[in-house]
Amino acid sequence: LAKTTQPISMDSYEGQEVNITCSHNNIATNDYITWYQQFPSQGPRFIIQGYKTKVTNEVASLFIPADRKSSTLSLPRVSLSDTAVYYCLVGDMKNKAAGNKLTFGGGTRVLVKP
Amino acid sequence: ETGVTQTPRHLVMGMTNKKSLKCEQHLGHNAMYWYKQSAKKPLELMFVYNFKEQTENNSVPSRFSPECPNSSHLFLHLHTLQPEDSALYLCASSQGPAEGYNEQFFGPGTRLTVL
Repeated sequence: LAKTTQPISMDSYEGQEVNITCSHNNIATNDYITWYQQFPSQGPRFIIQGYKTKVTNEVASLFIPADRKSSTLSLPRVSLSDTAVYYCLVGDMKNKAAGNKLTFGGGTRVLVKP
Repeated sequence: ETGVTQTPRHLVMGMTNKKSLKCEQHLGHNAMYWYKQSAKKPLELMFVYNFKEQTENNSVPSRFSPECPNSSHLFLHLHTLQPEDSALYLCASSQGPAEGYNEQFFGPGTRLTVL
């Protein structure tokens, strides 16, 4: 699985937009980019997944440039409840033999302040 | 509520005890997983089961013994654990392999303390 690098922590304020960038320079052709959110003492929760360009759902947007060597998770108008650790994962999720072996890095600890 | 339940939520055990963690998924998934999350460490994949068959053992010590009697239930049997095994143990499930794995749904975890 491709190695990912993301900031250790970020602070923000309620109502602001939070953008977390993840680097994955050795991403493979079949790899997808997936983001998970984890609150303290809970399991991670899937946020969004993409392959290229832009993906948006009711929770977040994911921006992926043409070279796919990085991606940016965008959380619009965050609230205090968005304080969590956000993980960027890269892997061939469709691979029937190995697509289920997720490798979590350290994640980005986002603190939303009032 | 993710559709994946784990019991117990908290467990304290001595090093000579034998205990079991239970996971149940109500999502109709075919793949189930055990993860370990220690303080200040990334989530570590321990075991993977596809259609009740173990397909991955990530060099886990034999004092951890998984069991998957059917696609909906997953157990982690614990015996002669060490204090460094204290951690949050997370169960997850997903579709696959035929459909592609996509997202994993995690349970709330069992907070294990080994004295």
